[in-house]
Amino acid sequence: GNSVTQMEGPVTLSEEAFLTINCTYTATGYPSLFWYVQYPGEGLQLLLKATKADDKGSNKGFEATYRKETTSFHLEKGSVQVSDSAVYFCALGFPGNNRKLIWGLGTSLAVNP
Amino acid sequence: EAGVAQSPRYKIIEKRQSVAFWCNPISGHATLYWYQQILGQGPKLLIQFQNNGVVDDSQLPKDRFSAERLKGVDSTLKIQPAKLEDSAVYLCASSFSPLQLAGAYNEQFFGPGTRLTVL
Repeated sequence: GNSVTQMEGPVTLSEEAFLTINCTYTATGYPSLFWYVQYPGEGLQLLLKATKADDKGSNKGFEATYRKETTSFHLEKGSVQVSDSAVYFCALGFPGNNRKLIWGLGTSLAVNP
Repeated sequence: EAGVAQSPRYKIIEKRQSVAFWCNPISGHATLYWYQQILGQGPKLLIQFQNNGVVDDSQLPKDRFSAERLKGVDSTLKIQPAKLEDSAVYLCASSFSPLQLAGAYNEQFFGPGTRLTVL
């Protein structure tokens, strides 16, 4: 079946450190891949997405590249800020009328000043 | 534009009581989702509506959970009776998703959630 595996947290970094959160997936067909972010006390927000192999999604300094050969969609940011402290979720979905997302368990990130 | 609205934000009840959550999606969004998010886990889809019809309710515990979207706009999720394991955040999301766009994936927009504690 379809599934998403994320690295376990919590991840704790100092401000301006480099961030990588690993995400790998198992899927039949050609899914789209997403990173959602959940700031404390808020709902989920789409951070970035990629709809086909080799696509790179980017937003707010975060990037992730859809790697079909390694079935991965790792999230990276070159220099994190305290305001990036949140929980990050990797998800996959398929186009079509049934737009159910398959979610990872989430990775908590804490950035210290 | 206004986002997805949910109420209440917090609810504390005792087991075996009933509770209802309300969601108003973004105007014009045909698809509405209810998710359950248990602490430390990813969101679990409970039910998906397309307008006022149910697309997927395969993970909805139908013996105690019910949901409706009678006019294809706002929606109510009810739990009756509640169990301790129902303690979670209940998220509502919506997306534009007209049925005709079979090849497209439309972003889901989430509300702030309702945090339910069952004692």
